[in-house]
Amino acid sequence: QQQVKQSPQSLIVQKGGIPIINCAYENTAFDYFPWYQQFPGKGPALLIAIRPDVSEKKEGRFTISFNKSAKQFSLHIMDSQPGDSATYFCAANRAGANNLFFGTGTRLTVIP
Amino acid sequence: DTGVSQNPRHKITKRGQNVTFRCDPISEHNRLYWYRQTLGQGPEFLTYFQNEAQLEKSRLLSDRFSAERPKGSFSTLEIQRTEQGDSAMYLCASSLSVANTEAFFGQGTRLTVV
Repeated sequence: QQQVKQSPQSLIVQKGGIPIINCAYENTAFDYFPWYQQFPGKGPALLIAIRPDVSEKKEGRFTISFNKSAKQFSLHIMDSQPGDSATYFCAANRAGANNLFFGTGTRLTVIP
Repeated sequence: DTGVSQNPRHKITKRGQNVTFRCDPISEHNRLYWYRQTLGQGPEFLTYFQNEAQLEKSRLLSDRFSAERPKGSFSTLEIQRTEQGDSAMYLCASSLSVANTEAFFGQGTRLTVV
């Protein structure tokens, strides 16, 4: 059973566009929601993370929007660049837990 | 290099053979995790160490899998009697002992069982 559902599976945008990746979860005990970026042949690297006490968090060109009542969160990449082409994973875990539950990933391609 | 280091990067083995992977975490991190990632999927949790103690194991970790962290530093993951279904990327991550702190991942070991 997939604890975190992620969509779309793949996304192609033009340079400067704003790709949006969506995730949904069921477990209301989750209280930490990170996004990871993974390039081919590399391990995932933390991009940005949010807790459910805020509805939005922005770091540079990356923004997480969080809707606690809908149990959904999304990643927006402003002014996307070809260097942002990678696979993005949302994840979640609950307080006191030691493992992250990952989504299935979104392969983003930014066309120059 | 102060990141998480995994060796080997690639391993091809015949079905039925045993394989062992090594992970060297970031030196001050006392938490260490193993995850498995198959093609087109996100990483799936396998097991977790706090220092040398293995505190949690996923149901994905069958009896053929064993992990150790003998001195609370590096860790090894052994797979006995490998099966084709074991083919995957095995990722190691480490973190500090603070709730919901960032986990830093290594580059992984890609296992192919033929």
